[in-house]
Amino acid sequence: NAGVTQTPKFRILKIGQSMTLQCAQDMNHNYMYWYRQDPGMGLKLIYYSVGAGITDKGEVPNGYNVSRSTTEDFPLRLELAAPSQTSVYFCASRLQGESYEQYFGPGTRLTVT
Amino acid sequence: DAKTTQPNSMESNEEEPVHLPCNHSTISGTDYIHWYRQLPSQGPEYVIHGLTSNVNNRMASLAIAEDRKSSTLILHRATLRDAAVYYCILRVSSGNTGKLIFGQGTTLQVKP
Repeated sequence: NAGVTQTPKFRILKIGQSMTLQCAQDMNHNYMYWYRQDPGMGLKLIYYSVGAGITDKGEVPNGYNVSRSTTEDFPLRLELAAPSQTSVYFCASRLQGESYEQYFGPGTRLTVT
Repeated sequence: DAKTTQPNSMESNEEEPVHLPCNHSTISGTDYIHWYRQLPSQGPEYVIHGLTSNVNNRMASLAIAEDRKSSTLILHRATLRDAAVYYCILRVSSGNTGKLIFGQGTTLQVKP
């Protein structure tokens, strides 16, 4: 298994541009999550999904959109990039069940200038 | 969501045990205690979790106070590879979403 994969690894955007951060998992996990991590801080939850077709907001959803059309993929869309969205973005997934262990991807480092 | 309090940083010597404390005085009866760690330039990885009883796995042990208002992550023999940020997280059991609310964590330095 590849686990959780994220693309791209790095990206520089200009203010006002749009982009989609890709996340995929091959573990047949129901739940998927998007977090952002600002320098020196812990992770903050942006959006999450409990299954295909079902998404919900986390702590910091403003400026982002998500969709979940398949079990495997959970893309994160930035419509009008702002400098405040400069961060490292992590995708995670987990299987439904008692453990609740989340598996994280390697992250995407995004800079908005 | 209930909050956790951890020291900003700790130091340890290689091959010695490390005790990482966490206070969670507002924990509710059904909140699980999770620990994750984040190695430099990587995503977080799961370490251990528990509810009431002490827990052991291949990575670490989790000691939970009888009143559940605090817990301690124990690394039995620290290695240089254990240098990371360690997050103590309370996971609310209701709603079944598994959302994790991260704090700032404890940065562990391991000296050779």
